[in-house]
Amino acid sequence: DTGVSQDPRHKITKRGQNVTFRCDPISEHNRLYWYRQTLGQGPEFLTYFQNEAQLEKSRLLSDRFSAERPKGSFSTLEIQRTEQGDSAMYLCASSPPPGGVIYEQFFGPGTRLTVL
Amino acid sequence: AQSVTQLDSQVPVFEEAPVELRCNYSSSVSVYLFWYVQYPNQGLQLLLKYLSGSTLVESINGFEAEFNKSQTSFHLRKPSVHISDTAEYFCAVSEVRGFNKFYFGSGTKLNVKP
Repeated sequence: DTGVSQDPRHKITKRGQNVTFRCDPISEHNRLYWYRQTLGQGPEFLTYFQNEAQLEKSRLLSDRFSAERPKGSFSTLEIQRTEQGDSAMYLCASSPPPGGVIYEQFFGPGTRLTVL
Repeated sequence: AQSVTQLDSQVPVFEEAPVELRCNYSSSVSVYLFWYVQYPNQGLQLLLKYLSGSTLVESINGFEAEFNKSQTSFHLRKPSVHISDTAEYFCAVSEVRGFNKFYFGSGTKLNVKP
């Protein structure tokens, strides 16, 4: 049984560079979420996919951020022109369609981004 | 919009002592309530959830939480903690109607001392 996986686990980049993170949800889960967690805070919602459709984006997701889920399976989160304020843990979660384990989200281990 | 407040950022406690981690929420709509636990260097794991029915919910490792609608609280308790319970605990809510977006509190670090 494989859970939600994220790659890479750690990323160090210089300010101004672009970075891309990948999330592989649990295979039968059609719902996928991205959250961001900064030091001392709880996760904050970034965006939500149902299958391949991106149905909601938080105002936290500036125009430098873009997320995709092209075939309704894995998802990518790209940050362009990174800033030091982007340093955080980026979490991916998935959940099954209605009728599955009710409303539980399964979280991946996260990608820790450090922008120098 | 929903908001979650965890009143204590850190809770130190001795092993075998009881503990309560407090969670209050604010919402204009009906919500589901969750507690997640994050052990060092691990991802978030569901500890317990309240969806409906009995207001007291329990986890498999001895934690329990009680939903109090009038006080908009969902405090987490354990009568006797173990060293292995040392972790960060997050309270979260999601709207009953919607796609299950979570709103998290800022977390409480439980430090169990021998």
